[in-house]
Amino acid sequence: DIQMTQSPSSVSASVGDRVTITCRASQGVDSWLAWYHQKPGKAPTLLISGASSLQSGVPPRFSGSGSGTDFTLTISSLQSEDFGTYYCQQAKSFPWTFGQGTKVEIK
Amino acid sequence: EVQMLESGGGLVQPGGSLRLSCAASGFTFSSYAMTWVRQAPGKGLEWVSLISHTGVTYYADSVEGRFTISRDNSKNTVYLQMNSLRAGDTAIYYCAKDARGSSGCYDNWGQGTLVTVSS
Repeated sequence: DIQMTQSPSSVSASVGDRVTITCRASQGVDSWLAWYHQKPGKAPTLLISGASSLQSGVPPRFSGSGSGTDFTLTISSLQSEDFGTYYCQQAKSFPWTFGQGTKVEIK
Repeated sequence: EVQMLESGGGLVQPGGSLRLSCAASGFTFSSYAMTWVRQAPGKGLEWVSLISHTGVTYYADSVEGRFTISRDNSKNTVYLQMNSLRAGDTAIYYCAKDARGSSGCYDNWGQGTLVTVSS
């Protein structure tokens, strides 16, 4: 199975800050990488697919990059509604696997 | 509007069975792979199972042989039959729709249904 490791596990930042979350795969997944955002008590929402394609309706402050084993999700200017947990997920080979999550808190 | 509505969760004893349903609407159901993802209390997301638009199925190792995914395109519904349930299966179960048919990423999720396995 492909293991997905996110860092950091949590981050506390102020509104307007740039936030970067990384995701590393234990083996190459090409660009078969998605990012999700989940608020407490809610279902996840898809932010980015194909490592860098922004989902329709997602604000452009979110961006994704990377391929192979190393990926990054960047929030260019953190907003108050961006709190919650962010997950990466690989879809290169079954079983699909998620990272353990990165909790983003607003200072 | 795309919607998924899960049902069938509840409290079950270890070794018992449950069947989850996910009724979908707002898109051409028969053209999309569907998946189940679960989340144990306070934990992260865990992929459980997938059924392609043609009916090919895949499972996580942790549920292989105990869970069965199926779909009824005439009812726009995907099911998850869960047998030999264990305490470790306690979680919120979400169904989700593939973003582009078979891309492996999921753009619409249900609200989830809670499964509690306890004596």
